[in-house]
Order: sequence, then structure tokens, then C-alpha cells
Amino acid sequence: EAGVAQSPRYKIIEKRQSVAFWCNPISGHATLYWYQQILGQGPKLLIQFQNNGVVDDSQLPKDRFSAERLKGVDSTLKIQPAKLEDSAVYLCASSLDASGNIQYFGAGTRLSVL
Amino acid sequence: GQQVMQIPQYQHVQEGEDFTTYCNSSTTLSNIQWYKQRPGGHPVFLIQLVKSGEVKKQKRLTFQFGEAKKNSSLHITATQTTDVGTYFCAVTSGTYKYIFGTGTRLKVLA
Repeated sequence: EAGVAQSPRYKIIEKRQSVAFWCNPISGHATLYWYQQILGQGPKLLIQFQNNGVVDDSQLPKDRFSAERLKGVDSTLKIQPAKLEDSAVYLCASSLDASGNIQYFGAGTRLSVL
Repeated sequence: GQQVMQIPQYQHVQEGEDFTTYCNSSTTLSNIQWYKQRPGGHPVFLIQLVKSGEVKKQKRLTFQFGEAKKNSSLHITATQTTDVGTYFCAVTSGTYKYIFGTGTRLKVLA
């Protein structure tokens, strides 16, 4: 069974530039999560999708971050414009559904904002 | 809002010594999951606890859910160098939104 795929693995941009991350969850998983993990901290949930609908985006900085999962499969997370404090690893995870199932994480995208 | 604290933040042990990390919540939990993240890696699921007072074992790892469902512990017996990493608890309180703890970083000295 293929795992959660993320790309790119690494990205370096300058502040005020835009960046996009892509995630393809495990086939058949209805729930998709985007987390931000700052060095030395635990993952922080940015947004949670159930199929193509948003379940929770309370911690997503909506003035600069956006995410979509149009067909209920893969997803993109965008930052526009980036700030220095956005430097982090962005993790995508998926689970069968939202009811307390195991979350399977991708390898993440390490973003450095200079 | 809900707060999840893990202690200790760091732990260095000699190989063969035991290790315990604690996860404490400010609110009553529906369930708790434990994950391990190797250096440079991504979180990997270890176990899920649902019932008050529940104890689960995986080889040298023992997981416990507190009676009041506000705390949990992970105990590793006779640590090995392969146990190195950061251990996170992830909790939920009646919703399906998981909040990750601050993590305990374990180093094992050979």
C-alpha cells in the first residue's frame, strides 16, 4: 500500500514570495490533514478536510494561507506571501475517516523562508 | 483552549535504562494516540487508548490512560538505541480534532 505522498521535499524562498505544497493521501482515506511543525515543537493542525469539505481550519492564518481539496483526493496548501516565521516542516496526514482513526503522515516539506 | 503538556521535554538515558514520558491535559479526553518521530522523520502511529484506566503493551512499551482520562504515560523498559526519537501524544476531547503535545525527546547513550 502506497503511503502519503508529498512534494516538494524541500523549498527555499524569500519572504513575500509565494509557495505551494502538494499532498496525495492514501487511497480511500476520506480525511486529510495539514500540519505545521516548527523545529522543536509538536505538529500544529492547520486544516482538516473530510472528503472535499473543511472540518476545521480554526488555526489556519487565512490572510496568507489557503488550502483546497477539490475532488476529495489530493490537496494543495499555499502560502502567499510568506513570512520568516513560516519556516517549518509542513506535514500532510490522512486517515480513513475523522472518527479517531490512525493518522498516516507523509515525509513532509521543509520550508525555509529567507 | 485545551492545553496538552508533556514531561519531561528531554531525557537522556543509558542503554538498558527505563524511560517514561507523561502527557497531561487540562480537559477530559475522548481518546489519546501516541506517535514516535525519529530525527529527520515524520510521526509514526504507535497506539490508541480509549478507555479510562486502559493499559496496552507493545513488546517493551507500556501505555496507560489515566482513570480520569486527563493524562497518559508511555513507559519503555530497557531502552535500546533504536528507541531514539521524539514521542508525542495526540489528544481529542469529543471532537475529531487532534491536538499534539509538546513532545519528549529521548536520547539513548550506548
